[in-house]
Amino acid sequence: DIQMTQSPASLSASLGETVTIECLASEDIYSNLAWYQQKPGKSPQLLIYDASSLQDGVPSRFSGSESGTQYSLEINSLQSEDAATYFCQQHHDYPYTFGAGTKLELK
Amino acid sequence: QVQLKESGPGLVQPSQTLSLTCTVSGFSLTSYNVHWVRQPTGKGLEWMGVIWTGGSTDYNSALKSRLSISRDTSKSQVFLKMNSLQTEDIATYYCARDQGDYGGYGEFDYWGQGVMVTVSS
Repeated sequence: DIQMTQSPASLSASLGETVTIECLASEDIYSNLAWYQQKPGKSPQLLIYDASSLQDGVPSRFSGSESGTQYSLEINSLQSEDAATYFCQQHHDYPYTFGAGTKLELK
Repeated sequence: QVQLKESGPGLVQPSQTLSLTCTVSGFSLTSYNVHWVRQPTGKGLEWMGVIWTGGSTDYNSALKSRLSISRDTSKSQVFLKMNSLQTEDIATYYCARDQGDYGGYGEFDYWGQGVMVTVSS
């Protein structure tokens, strides 16, 4: 199975700041990566697909990038509604696998 | 609009079979793949399996011996059955639509609300 190592497990940031969350794939997944946001008691919501494509309706302060097998989610100009847990997901090969999640807290 | 909704018993006895239904609206099961994903409380997400537009299935190898996914296209319903349930199967179970039509892309653009399943006697 492809392992997705996500970091950090948690982070705390202030309104207006920029944060970066990373996922390292255990092998090449050829940009087949998605990012999701999940708020407590809610279902995950798709933010980014194909590593860097913004899902319709998602604010442009969210962006994705890649370098080799390292994938990053950047959130600019943090808003209060960005407090959530973020997951990466590879869909290059079965079984699809997710990162362990990053809990983002707003100070 | 696109909607998915899971239903099924919230409580299953140990060693028994879990049966869940995902009822979809706003799209056809013959046009989009539907996946099942589960999440233990406070933990990460685990992909369980998928039913393709043509009715074929793929499963997580860790669950394959216990898991079955099927559908009734006339009712717009996808079914999950998993046997020999144990406490480690306690989780919220989601169905989710694959964003890509026909071939599937692998990312999930719409999710159901989830159904919490507990295993206890």
